[in-house]
Amino acid sequence: QKEVEQNSGPLSVPEGAIASLNCTYSDRGSQSFFWYRQYSGKSPELIMSIYSNGDKEDGRFTAQLNKASQYVSLLIRDSQPSDSATYLCAVNERSSNTGKLIFGQGTTLQVKP
Amino acid sequence: KAGVTQTPRYLIKTRGQQVTLSCSPISGHRSVSWYQQTPGQGLQFLFEYFSETQRNKGNFPGRFSGRQFSNSRSEMNVSTLELGDSALYLCASSSQTLGGTEAFFGQGTRLTVV
Repeated sequence: QKEVEQNSGPLSVPEGAIASLNCTYSDRGSQSFFWYRQYSGKSPELIMSIYSNGDKEDGRFTAQLNKASQYVSLLIRDSQPSDSATYLCAVNERSSNTGKLIFGQGTTLQVKP
Repeated sequence: KAGVTQTPRYLIKTRGQQVTLSCSPISGHRSVSWYQQTPGQGLQFLFEYFSETQRNKGNFPGRFSGRQFSNSRSEMNVSTLELGDSALYLCASSSQTLGGTEAFFGQGTRLTVV
């Protein structure tokens, strides 16, 4: 059973700090990785995608991928209270050659003013 | 550009009934996937449709079915509802032809079975 693992948290950081969210996956053949943000009572919102080893930056967000270690992370710089949400890591199931995503359980982030 | 539209937003059904949920993907997107989200199990894949064909199916009983129309709109049906089917049902739209491109979610349908 292919799995995606995340620490459920909550991860609490002060406003202005860097929040670091981590995710590991079991399917070594996975090629596509995504981070979604989900506010309470809302649907997941795509915030980052990453396909190659290394870093990808978009505004205050940086996704990091290390396929050898089967590890994906999301850094949020200058964290704001509005970043308080659940962050879901998702991995495309490559073996099915479809759009099937496998999600982690999510990490709850709390940014304290 | 309009996003993914799911209807209805909320539903209350009685055990044993059936329900149909609808999803209109982003214009030009041919892939529609359905997910069930519950507090205990998280987001779980139900099935994916691409060009009116089911491409993949998750580990759900046969009571869960779906279809996709020629305009890429998709419906999901759950028959003989059980209390455990209460969940947020999410539809995701993607333009991908092979695995790897981004998926965008609709607002979801909150189903409550009583």
